[in-house]
Amino acid sequence: KAGVTQTPRYLIKTRGQQVTLSCSPISGHRSVSWYQQTPGQGLQFLFEYFSETQRNKGNFPGRFSGRQFSNSRSEMNVSTLELGDSALYLCASSSIGLAGGYEQYFGPGTRLTVT
Amino acid sequence: TQLLEQSPQFLSIQEGENLTVYCNSSSVFSSLQWYRQEPGEGPVLLVTVVTGGEVKKLKRLTFQFGDARKDSSLHITAAQPGDTGLYLCAGEEVQGAQKLVFGQGTRLTINP
Repeated sequence: KAGVTQTPRYLIKTRGQQVTLSCSPISGHRSVSWYQQTPGQGLQFLFEYFSETQRNKGNFPGRFSGRQFSNSRSEMNVSTLELGDSALYLCASSSIGLAGGYEQYFGPGTRLTVT
Repeated sequence: TQLLEQSPQFLSIQEGENLTVYCNSSSVFSSLQWYRQEPGEGPVLLVTVVTGGEVKKLKRLTFQFGDARKDSSLHITAAQPGDTGLYLCAGEEVQGAQKLVFGQGTRLTINP
C-alpha cells in the first residue's frame, strides 16, 4: 500500500497570506489527523476528520481550518499567516492495529516558513 | 486532556551502550504507541502496546507497557548510530474518540 502523501513538501509564504496544504491518506483509511510540530512545542494536535466530519479539534485559533473530501483526502487551510505559524505540518491517517490500539501513520510533512 | 511526560528530553551516548527512555502519565491509556522521527520527515510507528505489562521486542529495542497502563519504557541494547532520532510516545485516550496524546519526545544521539 502507498503511504500517506502530503503536498507541497516545502512552502514559503509572507505574513498575512493564506495557505492550503493537502494530504492523501493510506487507501482504506477514513480518518485523517493534522498536527503542527515546532521545536519548542513538540507535536500539537490541530484536528481530525472522519468520513468528511470533524471529529476532534485541538486548541488552535479559527485561522486554522480543514476539510475532508468523500475520497478521504484532506486539506488544511491557514489564513492570515503569522510568523509563529512557521512549522512542520504533519498529516496522519489512522487504523486499528491487529492487536487493537489506535495507530497513526504519518506523511512526510509540509515545512511551512512564514517571512 | 491527558498528558504524557517523556524523559530524558535529550540523550547522547556512545555506540554500544544501553539506554532507556521513559514515558509517564497519571492517566490510564487504552494503548500506547512509540514512534521514531528523523529530521525533516514524519514520525514512523515502531510498536503498539495494548495490554498492561505487555513487553514487545523489535530487534535491539524492547518496549514495555506498565501494569496500570499509565507508563511505558523503551530500552535499546547496544545502541548504534542508526538509532539516532527523535523518539515519541503517544497514548490513546480512554475517554476520547480515538485520539492520541503525544509526549514531548526524546532526542537521542548515538556517537560512533
